[in-house]
Amino acid sequence: EADIYQTPRYLVIGTGKKITLECSQTMGHDKMYWYQQDPGMELHLIHYSYGVNSTEKGDLSSESTVSRIRTEHFPLTLESARPSHTSQYLCASSASHEGNTIYFGEGSWLTVV
Amino acid sequence: AQSVTQPDIHITVSEGASLELRCNYSYGATPYLFWYVQSPGQGLQLLLKYFSGDTLVQGIKGFEAEFKRSQSSFNLRKPSVHWSDAAEYFCAVGAYTGNQFYFGTGTSLTVIP
Repeated sequence: EADIYQTPRYLVIGTGKKITLECSQTMGHDKMYWYQQDPGMELHLIHYSYGVNSTEKGDLSSESTVSRIRTEHFPLTLESARPSHTSQYLCASSASHEGNTIYFGEGSWLTVV
Repeated sequence: AQSVTQPDIHITVSEGASLELRCNYSYGATPYLFWYVQSPGQGLQLLLKYFSGDTLVQGIKGFEAEFKRSQSSFNLRKPSVHWSDAAEYFCAVGAYTGNQFYFGTGTSLTVIP
């Protein structure tokens, strides 16, 4: 099993609230990712990082932001949540020296009411 | 353009029957191929991966996959399906180095008693 942890697992918040989804990995992986996935649907890459102080936007435009101040930590923040942000957010990581195999966390289910 | 195609959106099999999930890819460089499984409400778990060598790879939970370069395919198989195998299955292709990683749209597996 991969050592990548996401909190909270489930969150229900009101519109306009600021939220941060936490993601940590203990494998020393240099690369980290955030994917967004609606139930039963495909994965969409929204953010990625190749190392500390490196962040890039993914294929799907997202109003969220990320930071990578420490290798093991890659939080995702929504400054003002909207119902359209309701989704599952999956954090993942990979190591360049291990063939970039991606390992996923358990996911964070966000519901904005 | 790089892409992964999973032609079957949904498959239903009887418990104990054999299973084959199809995956075709388009990738300019030497592909590194992966299969993941996602149970409802969970993150993705790596089932198996192919980097090089023997084109038939064994994974966890009794799954195997065969790389066929001539057909650009990496189909997942299991000889006898168990009810607990009901889940969403994702095929992915990436590079050993570099930053490209592409997921298919997934195949949903239902297992009937």
